[in-house]
Amino acid sequence: GAVVSQHPSRVICKSGTSVKIECRSLDFQATTMFWYRQFPKQSLMLMATSNEGSKATYEQGVEKDKFLINHASLTLSTLTVTSAHPEDSSFYICSASRTERTGELFFGEGSRLTVL
Amino acid sequence: DQQVKQNSPSLSVQEGRISILNCDYTNSMFDYFLWYKKYPAEGPTFLISISSIKDKNEDGRFTVFLNKSAKHLSLHIVPSQPGDSAVYFCAASAGYGGATNKLIFGTGTLLAVQP
Repeated sequence: GAVVSQHPSRVICKSGTSVKIECRSLDFQATTMFWYRQFPKQSLMLMATSNEGSKATYEQGVEKDKFLINHASLTLSTLTVTSAHPEDSSFYICSASRTERTGELFFGEGSRLTVL
Repeated sequence: DQQVKQNSPSLSVQEGRISILNCDYTNSMFDYFLWYKKYPAEGPTFLISISSIKDKNEDGRFTVFLNKSAKHLSLHIVPSQPGDSAVYFCAASAGYGGATNKLIFGTGTLLAVQP
């Protein structure tokens, strides 16, 4: 079964509104979670690394004021797309690691955001 | 700058035959490589990995080969099954062993296994 769950799986919103996406590790504690974005026919692009209890680390080119990340607990990280625009429409995926070893990453089901 | 490249966007193979998916990388600091499988509207699932100290890793029908001098890796699936039809992503990271879990993904290859 899924060990990382995302919600919602699909969201449609109007331009200018904010949307929150949740990522939960279901049966383990994740001190670090990762947020990715995927455009059609493109690779998964790492947006930011979410650390429990501290500020997220954003990749170059990702606006931290637009994509707010909060890792309030060891099992929950949230991504809020603020003042969404049509170009923010994308597939957002989170991942979390059970262990320190690279590769033991479990991905959420993804969230399809459509901004009208 | 695409550090991990999958030059074939799609591949079609007959059931029972071998599927070979290729991946090239440019960053010599990468020391851990992974393959993920992804179905539409789902998150990727881990398939197999290889560290840079090895040149081959096998798990059932899946084998990953690493050629460090060529900065090239490949995933072999044999025999291919229709259920293998999915997008396959190659990913790489630097600092295996706890330093980081940051993965750099390739653009993916859509594998279609024909019955």
